[in-house]
Amino acid sequence: GAVVSQHPSWVICKSGTSVKIECRSLDFQATTMFWYRQFPKQSLMLMATSNEGSKATYEQGVEKDKFLINHASLTLSTLTVTSAHPEDSSFYICSASGTAQENIQFFGPGTRLTVL
Amino acid sequence: GESVGLHLPTLSVQEGDNSIINCAYSNSASDYFIWYKQESGKGPQFIIDIRSNMDKRQGQRVTVLLNKTVKHLSLQIAATQPGDSAVYFCAENIRGTGRRALTFGSGTRLQVQP
Repeated sequence: GAVVSQHPSWVICKSGTSVKIECRSLDFQATTMFWYRQFPKQSLMLMATSNEGSKATYEQGVEKDKFLINHASLTLSTLTVTSAHPEDSSFYICSASGTAQENIQFFGPGTRLTVL
Repeated sequence: GESVGLHLPTLSVQEGDNSIINCAYSNSASDYFIWYKQESGKGPQFIIDIRSNMDKRQGQRVTVLLNKTVKHLSLQIAATQPGDSAVYFCAENIRGTGRRALTFGSGTRLQVQP
């Protein structure tokens, strides 16, 4: 149980385009989902926390108009990187937690974004 | 700011030996800790957690020890196998604050030599 999927697993796009990444909890209801960014050989950096049906809470320094997060249902959250630029290239990972084990976050497999 | 950090960036062990990965935290209010394993190109995988009212918890081949006096926790892996090679992160949270986000340490790479 507690499986989280992400789609796509990797994406290459041109500078200036927008990219949407989906995060799904497959076998539990995720009341809270989290989006992280990870650069090579570094730790995970929390970008935002989203609760189903409400606006996401962004960490300091993360542009909410740049990284749009939607948590429309208890099993789906999306991250849209708008007008992507090469510096947005990174590994984006989502995680989800439910009510049964509320402090444990279960992570998706990540999405590798490369902006040319 | 307060943070969770690790003593050793890389740990190399022989297959079959026991591994000990250490983590120091600085926020004395932290009361919940998780260890994650991350293989290259994948998302972190939950290993084991521990609450601050415990000082030891065991799982399958893994043991987490928590020393609140010196704000230190460790992950012990028994009979380390090549499949254990990965980066290990400790993460902490303060329950009851309404903030469910975890703060991650910088990670330790475990290399298992055959």
